[in-house]
Amino acid sequence: KNQVEQSPQSLIILEGKNCTLQCNYTVSPFSNLRWYKQDTGRGPVSLTIMTFSENTKSNGRYTATLDADTKQSSLHITASQLSDSASYICVVSDRGSTLGRLYFGRGTQLTVWP
Amino acid sequence: EADIYQTPRYLVIGTGKKITLECSQTMGHDKMYWYQQDPGMELHLIHYSYGVNSTEKGDLSSESTVSRIRTEHFPLTLESARPSHTSQYLCASSRISSGTEVTGELFFGEGSRLTVL
Repeated sequence: KNQVEQSPQSLIILEGKNCTLQCNYTVSPFSNLRWYKQDTGRGPVSLTIMTFSENTKSNGRYTATLDADTKQSSLHITASQLSDSASYICVVSDRGSTLGRLYFGRGTQLTVWP
Repeated sequence: EADIYQTPRYLVIGTGKKITLECSQTMGHDKMYWYQQDPGMELHLIHYSYGVNSTEKGDLSSESTVSRIRTEHFPLTLESARPSHTSQYLCASSRISSGTEVTGELFFGEGSRLTVL
């Protein structure tokens, strides 16, 4: 069964600190993996996309890594800000086409305290 | 900012009422989706469409129905709402990719939070 598991379920950090969120998947075949940020009461917004051949990709203070061999991805947030408080969702696609099916994780709820 | 809009943002109704959640996008995307999201749970696909006059049921069984008469509009209707329908409903769209192009990014609306009493 194709699954996407995220950890931790929730995380509280102080402003200015770094943190790393994890995503393990069993989806096969694998096409790509996206990290989305969902603010409370809003729709998710894409942060990064990782394809099979990519190991690291950065978007400002967000850095995503992918190990396709172990089927693991991480999202590292540097120098956290209060606005980083949100749910971070890992989404895996099983093929690179319109017919690709998306598998969603349950998200990691990040809270940044001042 | 994504150009996809959902109305209403919040709706509280009584059991047995008929409701329609509106979703419109101005990006010209062919593919549109409806997801259901409950607190702490993953998004579940309930309906999707490849284009005008195309609608398909998603992974999660739903008593709702959808229509796609225009590319930009993808409303969801519940004929008789029940408390079990209480949830957050997210509409999304994506551009149809082709060939070796990576699967398109989903653009989400702000969501419609439905409460059925």
